[in-house]
Order: sequence, then structure tokens, then C-alpha cells
Amino acid sequence: AQSVTQPDIHITVSEGASLELRCNYSYGATPYLFWYVQSPGQGLQLLLKYFSGDTLVQGIKGFEAEFKRSQSSFNLRKPSVHWSDAAEYFCAVGLYNTDKLIFGTGTRLQVFP
Amino acid sequence: SAVISQKPSRDICQRGTSLTIQCQVDSQVTMMFWYRQQPGQSLTLIATANQGSEATYESGFVIDKFPISRPNLTFSTLTVSNLSPEDSSIYLCSGVVQGEQYFGPGTRLTVT
Repeated sequence: AQSVTQPDIHITVSEGASLELRCNYSYGATPYLFWYVQSPGQGLQLLLKYFSGDTLVQGIKGFEAEFKRSQSSFNLRKPSVHWSDAAEYFCAVGLYNTDKLIFGTGTRLQVFP
Repeated sequence: SAVISQKPSRDICQRGTSLTIQCQVDSQVTMMFWYRQQPGQSLTLIATANQGSEATYESGFVIDKFPISRPNLTFSTLTVSNLSPEDSSIYLCSGVVQGEQYFGPGTRLTVT
């Protein structure tokens, strides 16, 4: 069955530090992969997506993610975190030909000044 | 892109009543979905809202509890029926435009 695992429930970093949020997926076919961010009281915003091609994907707000098929991973990275990045981050896999998304459990990012 | 609005943004309802949530998209979308986000949890897909026909429900969700309508390509409603405290969640709708899924801000439902 398809699933998405985000091993880190809560991460705390200092402003200006680098960030990596982990995501592992289980899916029988080539996955469509997404990272969304949810700020308090707001809906989900798409940060980036991977469909095919270059395995290093650039997104908005300075985020990037790398698809590693051998590790079934799609980790999100940012070289220097800003206080405004504090939010909940969700990794999701899109089911082929349906547009349905299966979400991971989320990682809450806290940023200290 | 698409901008999605939901009404109401939040509500407090009594056990046994129902709440209908409206979802409006500012452009035509191919697919619309409804998700539930229980407190402190991730998003779970409830159903696909099909335009002009019955919604397609995911395992664990039934039409009697979550009736959905989608009369056109930009509008859908989700009703949560016979409310119980376990239905307290955030309900989000989404729409797909050119392969990208956009989400509404959510409706926070509290059942007392």
C-alpha cells in the first residue's frame, strides 16, 4: 500500500541554520512527490513538486528537494532558515493518474532567533 | 493557479446536527477533493467531488455521513452529518489545475 513517512515530528533550528526535513515513501510506480507548507490558520501552500527528470527540484521560498529512488526518499532542504519558515511541513505522494494525494504525518518546524 | 475559498472558516456545532461547508474556486478545475485533518494529525482524503455525479469516497468514509455535491466546475459542498465530538477537525477542499493541487484555508469544526 502507498504510504509516506516523515520520521521527524518536530524540529527546532536556529535562524540562519541549514534545514533538512526527511520524507520516505512507499509506492509501486514512479511517484509524483510534493512538499506543502501549512502556516498557522492558513491552508496548504505547494513548495515544490517532482514528476520526472532532474532529481533536484527547486521550489519557492528558497527550498529544494532531492528525489532518491534508491532510498525512496524526497528530503526537503533549505540552506538558511528564516523565522518566517516556522510552520508545519507535509510531504505527499500523488497517485498516478488520479491527482489524489497521500500525506505524511507532517513535521513541525520551530525557528529560534 | 487557483484561489480557493471556504465558508464558514470555523463553526461550533452541537452533537447530532449537521454542518455544510462550501468551497469556491476562482477558476475551473478538473478535480476537486475534500480532506479531513484531525487535531494534530495529517490530512486524510475523504472523497473526490465529481462534477454532476455522485462523489467517490475513500475507504472509511460514506455518503450518508459526508454527502458531497459539485454542481459545476468551480463549486462544491461537503456536509458532515449527525455530528459527534469525533468529527471535530479541519476540513479542507482542494482543486487541481494543470496537475497542481491547490487548497482552501480550511473549515475548523468543533462539535460540543
